[in-house]
Amino acid sequence: AQSVAQPEDQVNVAEGNPLTVKCTYSVSGNPYLFWYVQYPNRGLQFLLKYITGDNLVKGSYGFEAEFNKSQTSFHLKKPSALVSDSALYFCAVRERTGGFKTIFGAGTRLFVKA
Amino acid sequence: DTEVTQTPKHLVMGMTNKKSLKCEQHMGHRAMYWYKQKAKKPPELMFVYSYEKLSINESVPSRFSPECPNSSLLNLHLHALQPEDSALYLCASSQNEGDNQPQHFGDGTRLSIL
Repeated sequence: AQSVAQPEDQVNVAEGNPLTVKCTYSVSGNPYLFWYVQYPNRGLQFLLKYITGDNLVKGSYGFEAEFNKSQTSFHLKKPSALVSDSALYFCAVRERTGGFKTIFGAGTRLFVKA
Repeated sequence: DTEVTQTPKHLVMGMTNKKSLKCEQHMGHRAMYWYKQKAKKPPELMFVYSYEKLSINESVPSRFSPECPNSSLLNLHLHALQPEDSALYLCASSQNEGDNQPQHFGDGTRLSIL
């Protein structure tokens, strides 16, 4: 069965420190990979995606993600966290062929302490 | 401001009422989606429309009835809902169903069933 795992319900970091939010997936083929962020009382906002090419993808608000094919992982990173980064983060995958559904991970709540 | 507009933002209805949720986008996207999201959980796909035709129905109860009057509008008609249907209902759009482009989400309608 296809699945996306975000092993941490919550990640706590201090402002200014680097952050990592983990994502692994079990999807056939080479899926498209996405990260979304959701602030309270808002919809999901697209952060970045991996389609092909360089394993390090840069996105919005200083976020980047590292794709690792052998580990089927797509971890979200930021060199220096801000308090305003505190939100709910979702990893998502979609199959390249016939993949009309986007599969979301359970979400990871990021808390950045001042 | 989000590019996908959902109305109303909040809706309280009784179990015997009939109401509709509306979604509008003017990005020229040809795929539109309805999701249901419970608190601190990932979005659950309900329906997908592609080129104004229903493409996916994720076995949603018939008390939810989607409609796509044109390429910019998506409605969700509600009738005889149950208390467990209380949730945030998100609309999203993308350029085409199944491609490598991200989905754009509205801020949702928060629905409460009395």
